[in-house]
Amino acid sequence: EPEVTQTPSHQVTQMGQEVILRCVPISNHLYFYWYRQILGQKVEFLVSFYNNEISEKSEIFDDQFSVERPDGSNFTLKIRSTKLEDSAMYFCASSEALVLPSNQPQHFGDGTRLSIL
Amino acid sequence: AQTVTQSQPEMSVQEAETVTLSCTYDTSENNYYLFWYKQPPSRQMILVIRQEAYKQQNATENRFSVNFQKAAKSFSLKISDSQLGDTAMYFCAFRGGDDKIIFGKGTRLHILP
Repeated sequence: EPEVTQTPSHQVTQMGQEVILRCVPISNHLYFYWYRQILGQKVEFLVSFYNNEISEKSEIFDDQFSVERPDGSNFTLKIRSTKLEDSAMYFCASSEALVLPSNQPQHFGDGTRLSIL
Repeated sequence: AQTVTQSQPEMSVQEAETVTLSCTYDTSENNYYLFWYKQPPSRQMILVIRQEAYKQQNATENRFSVNFQKAAKSFSLKISDSQLGDTAMYFCAFRGGDDKIIFGKGTRLHILP
């Protein structure tokens, strides 16, 4: 079964550094998402992306965050100047989503654990 | 704004028993979808079961079934014949017209041998 893949599985970065988290969505999917989960807390929506632009973003997704689909297969989340509170598990998800609301489930990757030192 | 509430932070049951995880939600939308996701210790997010709000029939997927009460905005998950591999964090989730998923805080389920 096709999967969403995320790399790296664990990223350790110094505070203030830029970090890029990478995701390869399922190939025929059109909608892409990033979520984060701070340790011990619930999963929170960050951003959705369709047709090469952001569809929706949460209040968490401030100017430090950006997303990109640089080459038609990868979907990246960049954090420009990381803060300690950015430490979390970041999940990428994708879905076919033809009509909203869609029962097409969002397929999640295994996540990237981001640790900010 | 939509909210999802899971009132049981943690539960433990013996292997082979049946367990029900509670979830309530709040929305003004009429057309939406509900999901249960499982997050084992490996931290993956795995879709367990989904329910369309316009369907009255409760969804079933092998040992997993839901009790969907639309008027009460309740969406509980029942796991029958629980297995050690069911040990995980379970998240109830809502997906409405804006396409993003709203998750509950999760219920940590321990299946005891």
